[in-house]
Amino acid sequence: DQQVKQNSPSLSVQEGRISILNCDYTNSMFDYFLWYKKYPAEGPTFLISISSIKDKNEDGRFTVFLNKSAKHLSLHIVPSQPGDSAVYFCAAKNQAGTALIFGKGTTLSVSS
Amino acid sequence: GAVVSQHPSWVICKSGTSVKIECRSLDFQATTMFWYRQFPKQSLMLMATSNEGSKATYEQGVEKDKFLINHASLTLSTLTVTSAHPEDSSFYICSARDFRGTDTQYFGPGTRLTVL
Repeated sequence: DQQVKQNSPSLSVQEGRISILNCDYTNSMFDYFLWYKKYPAEGPTFLISISSIKDKNEDGRFTVFLNKSAKHLSLHIVPSQPGDSAVYFCAAKNQAGTALIFGKGTTLSVSS
Repeated sequence: GAVVSQHPSWVICKSGTSVKIECRSLDFQATTMFWYRQFPKQSLMLMATSNEGSKATYEQGVEKDKFLINHASLTLSTLTVTSAHPEDSSFYICSARDFRGTDTQYFGPGTRLTVL
């Protein structure tokens, strides 16, 4: 059973517009959520995280929103840039565990 | 941010040989490191959790005798793929847990293993 789901395998956005990447989870014990960006043949790069006690965290062009009642989080990238084109993974962990549970990723393509 | 390195970045070996992959946390101590495997166009699959000074914890379906993990120091964990076969060809990525800040995991650049 997949505990972290990224239902959109791909997303295409024009440069300068907003990119919204979505993630759903099923385990209500998750209390920490992270977004990673990954290029082919490279390790994931940490982007931004959010604790379950918050509903929003912002870092530059990246904002993560958490809706605990819906078990949903999203990553907003504004404005999108061609260099943002990559695979974005949503990950979650719970207090008791230390391993991250990853979604399958969403490939973002930003065209100029 | 914290830096994690992996060595080698790419290795090609013959079937039946063993390959060792190193994962190092360069500017922080990591009592816990993780080993992942990624197949093309798929997500990262956790293989095992490596704890400094103790035995690794393997995920279900991962052969502990085939994927030997050693975490001898606070900055180094190694994964040895023993008697490698072509089906072991994959992208192996390690991460290290940074306790200093927000309990974020930082990933190495990955190692591409090709078994002929």
